[in-house]
Amino acid sequence: QVQLQESGPGLVKPSQTLSLTCIVSGGSISSGGYYWSWIRQHPGKGLEFIGFIYNSGTTYYNPSLWSRVTISADTSKNQFSLKLRSVTVADAAVYYCARETLGSCSGGSCYRYFDLWGRGTLVTVSS
Amino acid sequence: EIVLTQSPGTLSLSPGERATLFCRASQSLNIFYLAWYQQKPGQAPRLLIYGASSRATGIPDRFSGSGSVTDFTLTISRLEPEDFAVYYCQQYGNSPWTFGQGTKVEI
Repeated sequence: QVQLQESGPGLVKPSQTLSLTCIVSGGSISSGGYYWSWIRQHPGKGLEFIGFIYNSGTTYYNPSLWSRVTISADTSKNQFSLKLRSVTVADAAVYYCARETLGSCSGGSCYRYFDLWGRGTLVTVSS
Repeated sequence: EIVLTQSPGTLSLSPGERATLFCRASQSLNIFYLAWYQQKPGQAPRLLIYGASSRATGIPDRFSGSGSVTDFTLTISRLEPEDFAVYYCQQYGNSPWTFGQGTKVEI
């Protein structure tokens, strides 16, 4: 059974870099058909897609964050990471790692869905 | 960017009642690319429906999804106590993926 677990500091100073890691157990991040993703949720608010990595190196970032975000993977440790630079209080949120699965396809379209999530980790931005 | 607008913002119902939640997309969506999630306080979202109408593994059949083009619906046929939560729709049709703002189903 595949499980995801976020780890990283819960407190980051303004202008510094937020760094989180998602440890994947029970399955390999090198397996095809999966996009290893980061999503955040501001307190009491909705969900915001940050980006993903797949094939151990190809990335996509939400344009609203792309200039500050890097997602990388370490296949030897079976984990992937998020770095968000130059944080402000607006970046305070619960950060989730998630697995997006590329499902079955028909007529040139394929199902996609976030079927596994970590429990989330709260990041506070404060000096 | 596709904007998803969910309604109502809050739905006040009792156990045993039927809940109907709506999600409207700002652009036409392929039904393959619309999903619904349930989130309870302090928990991560849980996948309920993908492809607009396919139930995820382990999801009870009281949950059903429907819709096409720009209008999608999540129906809970008979609310159980554990169904009181926030529900989000999400689209994968155009990047970046986006979520609706959520509908809270409360007692």
